[in-house]
Amino acid sequence: QKEVEQDPGPLSVPEGAIVSLNCTYSNSAFQYFMWYRQYSRKGPELLMYTYSSGNKEDGRFTAQVDKSSKYISLFIRDSQPSDSATYLCAMRTSWGSQGNLIFGKGTKLSVKP
Amino acid sequence: NAGVTQTPKFRVLKTGQSMTLLCAQDMNHEYMYWYRQDPGMGLRLIHYSVGEGTTAKGEVPDGYNVSRLKKQNFLLGLESAAPSQTSVYFCASSSQGNGYTFGSGTRLTVV
Repeated sequence: QKEVEQDPGPLSVPEGAIVSLNCTYSNSAFQYFMWYRQYSRKGPELLMYTYSSGNKEDGRFTAQVDKSSKYISLFIRDSQPSDSATYLCAMRTSWGSQGNLIFGKGTKLSVKP
Repeated sequence: NAGVTQTPKFRVLKTGQSMTLLCAQDMNHEYMYWYRQDPGMGLRLIHYSVGEGTTAKGEVPDGYNVSRLKKQNFLLGLESAAPSQTSVYFCASSSQGNGYTFGSGTRLTVV
């Protein structure tokens, strides 16, 4: 079993839809959870960062962490064509030399006008 | 405000040739990483460094070597390129407590 599982999609939604992207993980020691957005032929960029459980909101984006279920989500409200990208979840146990980020394989999202 | 800069952006190599990919960051980050990204495989860590003069193996280190002689630079070397090393290579850097900042990638084709 991979440490981090993420449905690769592709996921296609109409403009204005609410998008839900998810990852599951197996290592209960993960404490730091991130979402990266990667546009085609570009490097990943950090979108959201949460520590431990709970919700975090930033504009149209909401990140949720449920450590009891080992499940994290990213919600995008009022999705726009500019949100079309691959979204990667990432997580780590700690900072420093002992805790490198573990990435999901990414979900490709397409928002149609 | 350069962040992480990778050179070159594109390269075509013949099997058996060698090359070095350069990563430079201007954020004074301690940690630097080299990843490869392949369709269906996601990002896989090749090597990483937790400080100047240190390097460590990641998930897929075979066929690659790295050096971190200066804090701001992290070099990835391919001594004898193979078609299996055709990929997009990303460098990233971070400081403790923050996420990674990625470069824009190097597209390498080995024929």
